[in-house]
Amino acid sequence: EIVLTQSPATLSLSPGERATLSCRASQSVGSSLAWYQQKPGQAPRLLIYDASSRATGIPARFSGSGSGTDFTLTISSLEPEDFAVYYCQQRSNWPITFGQGTRLEIK
Amino acid sequence: EVQLVESGGDLVQPGGSLRLSCAASGFTFSSYSMNWVRQAPGKGLEWVSYISGGSFVYYADSVKGRFTVSRDNAENSLYLQMNSLRDEDTAVYYCARGRYTTSIYDYWGQGTLVTVSS
Repeated sequence: EIVLTQSPATLSLSPGERATLSCRASQSVGSSLAWYQQKPGQAPRLLIYDASSRATGIPARFSGSGSGTDFTLTISSLEPEDFAVYYCQQRSNWPITFGQGTRLEIK
Repeated sequence: EVQLVESGGDLVQPGGSLRLSCAASGFTFSSYSMNWVRQAPGKGLEWVSYISGGSFVYYADSVKGRFTVSRDNAENSLYLQMNSLRDEDTAVYYCARGRYTTSIYDYWGQGTLVTVSS
């Protein structure tokens, strides 16, 4: 099973700042990595797939990068609605696995 | 508009059974893979099962032999039969569409809560 480790566990930033979230895989997943955003009481929402492709309707301030074992989700300038929990997910190997999440909170 | 609506969540005793349903609309259901993903209270996301448009299936080890995923393409519905339920199966269960035939989850339902407790 591929283990995804997200860091940091919690990130405290202010609106307008840049957020950088990390996801590291225990073995190579190529580019088969996605990022999801989840707000309290809501289902997750797809942000980024195949490491760097933005999903439909996702603002350009969200970007993804990386390949192999190291991936990054960047939010260029935080909006109030961006404070949420973010998960990475790999689909390179069965079983599908998710990271444990990074909580992005308002400083 | 793509919609996924789960139902069937309930309080059930350990060892009991439950069947979850997911009603899909707004897309050609048979052309997409479908998945169940769960989230225990206050915890992260855990993939549970996958079914292709042609009913090829995969399961997480934690549910293999106890859960069965199925679909009815004529009724645009996805199901999860859950047997021998354990306390650790307590979670919100989401159905999620796979983007085309992949395991990229582009649409999610609102979830249905399963509580396993005596």
